[in-house]
This record gives sequence, C-alpha cells and structure tokens, in this order.
Amino acid sequence: AQTVTQSQPEMSVQEAETVTLSCTYDTSESDYYLFWYKQPPSRQMILVIRQEAYKQQNATENRFSVNFQKAAKSFSLKISDSQLGDAAMYFCAYRSGGSQGNLIFGKGTKLSVKP
Amino acid sequence: GAGVSQTPSNKVTEKGKYVELRCDPISGHTALYWYRQSLGQGPEFLIYFQGTGAADDSGLPNDRFFAVRPEGSVSTLKIQRTERGDSAVYLCASSSTGQGTGEQYFGPGTRLTVT
Repeated sequence: AQTVTQSQPEMSVQEAETVTLSCTYDTSESDYYLFWYKQPPSRQMILVIRQEAYKQQNATENRFSVNFQKAAKSFSLKISDSQLGDAAMYFCAYRSGGSQGNLIFGKGTKLSVKP
Repeated sequence: GAGVSQTPSNKVTEKGKYVELRCDPISGHTALYWYRQSLGQGPEFLIYFQGTGAADDSGLPNDRFFAVRPEGSVSTLKIQRTERGDSAVYLCASSSTGQGTGEQYFGPGTRLTVT
C-alpha cells in the first residue's frame, strides 16, 4: 500500500521569506501523481501544485515550486516570498496512475507566517 | 460557475442516530469522492463514484456507512447507528475525470459531531 509522510507537524516563516515543507512517500508503482493541497481554516482544500512522476522537470506555479526526487521518493514544497495568506495546513497527496483516482494524504504541516 | 457544495455545514447528533450528508458536485463532473478527516489528520478516502456507480468503496470503515449517487450528480453519505468515533469532517470532491492529474475540487466539508 502507498503511504505519504509529512514529518513536520508545524512550520513558521517570516513574511517575504522562503520556506520548504517536506514530504516523502512510499510506493512500488511507476506511474503516479503527486500533489500539494492547502487547507485554510475554512476547511476547503485548494490545489497548490501537481507533479506527474514521469516528468523530470520540477513543477512551478508562481511562488510555489517543488523539488521532486523520484529515486529518494521525496516531494518537497518551496514557498517563496511568503505572504500572510499562505498561513494554512498543507497536505501532500499521492494518486495512483491507474483508473482508481482517490488521493492518499499525509498528516499535514501547519504553516504560520509572521508579519 | 458554482463549486462543490456540502450540506449541512455542521451536524450534531446523538450516539445511535442516523445521519445523511449531502454533496452537490460541480455540474458535469462524473467522478465524485468522499473523504473523512479526523482531528489532526489528513483526509482519508471513503468511496469513489464514477457516474452513478460506486467504482471503489474500499475505504468505508464498516457496514454502517453507505453512499449513493442515483442520478450521477448529487451524492448522499449515510451513516447508521452513529458512534462517537464517527465525529470528523466529511469532505466531498468532484473531478471531470477519475484519472491522471484531473484536479479534484473539494467542498467545504460537513463537520459531524456525535455526542
């Protein structure tokens, strides 16, 4: 079975600085997808960034980028120029490349942004 | 257009009672997922619908949990003989496809409290 591990329950960053959230996963599959979701206090999960395992190039979305290390099964999220609105729970998630589309989530990292 | 909606937003019920949680997906989305998020945890998969049929219900914890999607749009998660351990946020997500990097759009969830 696939598992996702986030080893940092809480992180803190100064506004305008850069922070990296860690995620590791375990799988025997070769075809899969990885995601980072943001969950503010409103509870609504918002997709931040996604990565296809077959792509070597790291995904980037504006201030958000990932460091995807396939051999190490590592998928970290870097947030640059942190803003107060980035404060939230961040979840790393795995999705098999097969027809079953459910996500497998880590336990999350609570990010605080200090003004 | 409208996003995924869930009703009620909050539900308090007594142990042993029956509850129904409703999910209205984005119009036209064929894939629909239910997840359960316990306090301090990431969401855990419950059931996946492709159209009207449950393509994967392997995440349902026991036979007290049941979900339907009779017309391929709205879905109802039904919990019989509720227990205090059922207290959690129940999230619904929909997607235009059940495969690949098709984004799952989440609703705001229903917070169920069993007293």
